[in-house]
Amino acid sequence: DGGITQSPKYLFRKEGQNVTLSCEQNLNHDAMYWYRQDPGQGLRLIYYSQIVNDFQKGDIAEGYSVSREKKESFPLTVTSAQKNPTAFYLCASSKTGRSYEQYFGPGTRLTVT
Amino acid sequence: AQSVTQLDSQVPVFEEAPVELRCNYSSSVSVYLFWYVQYPNQGLQLLLKYLSGSTLVKGINGFEAEFNKSQTSFHLRKPSVHISDTAEYFCAAMYSGGGADGLTFGKGTHLIIQP
Repeated sequence: DGGITQSPKYLFRKEGQNVTLSCEQNLNHDAMYWYRQDPGQGLRLIYYSQIVNDFQKGDIAEGYSVSREKKESFPLTVTSAQKNPTAFYLCASSKTGRSYEQYFGPGTRLTVT
Repeated sequence: AQSVTQLDSQVPVFEEAPVELRCNYSSSVSVYLFWYVQYPNQGLQLLLKYLSGSTLVKGINGFEAEFNKSQTSFHLRKPSVHISDTAEYFCAAMYSGGGADGLTFGKGTHLIIQP
């Protein structure tokens, strides 16, 4: 079955530590995205990538970094510079072009204490 | 900045009653509109999308939405809801040009179905 996998489902870290969230897709999509979801806030775009080895900042990129070395993979690193990292993180992918819907993974809930 | 507004954060409705979830978007020459559903602790699933053409769009699970350009609205409707429709619903827009190339989301509407 084609889809997007995110691991782990739940992640706990101590403040000051960097943490990397995994996102893999086998839909053969060129574009991939990372969103952050906070209660009552909807989803906000962190980073997106339209093609391998290229990515762009979204609306809330500060304190995050990404890489896109393979078409299938788009890992997100939450750095210690992110002031409020506790959130639900969603990865998505789509064909290139604005008219194509985005397919979402199941999400990773990150808790930093 | 482009924006999507969902007017109700929570909508309670009795089972088998009709429901409308409201969504307004900021006006743009070119915009594509989407409704997604999210069940607890899960990712988002596409319900329907409007790209062009007929303003009435039908989606999965009996949902439909109407694109109204003059009112910049894209309200989601279902004639008869079921307990399993309890979820968070997100309206989203993809705008042309400028800024990031991701979706702009509303803050979500929690649909609560009462037996």
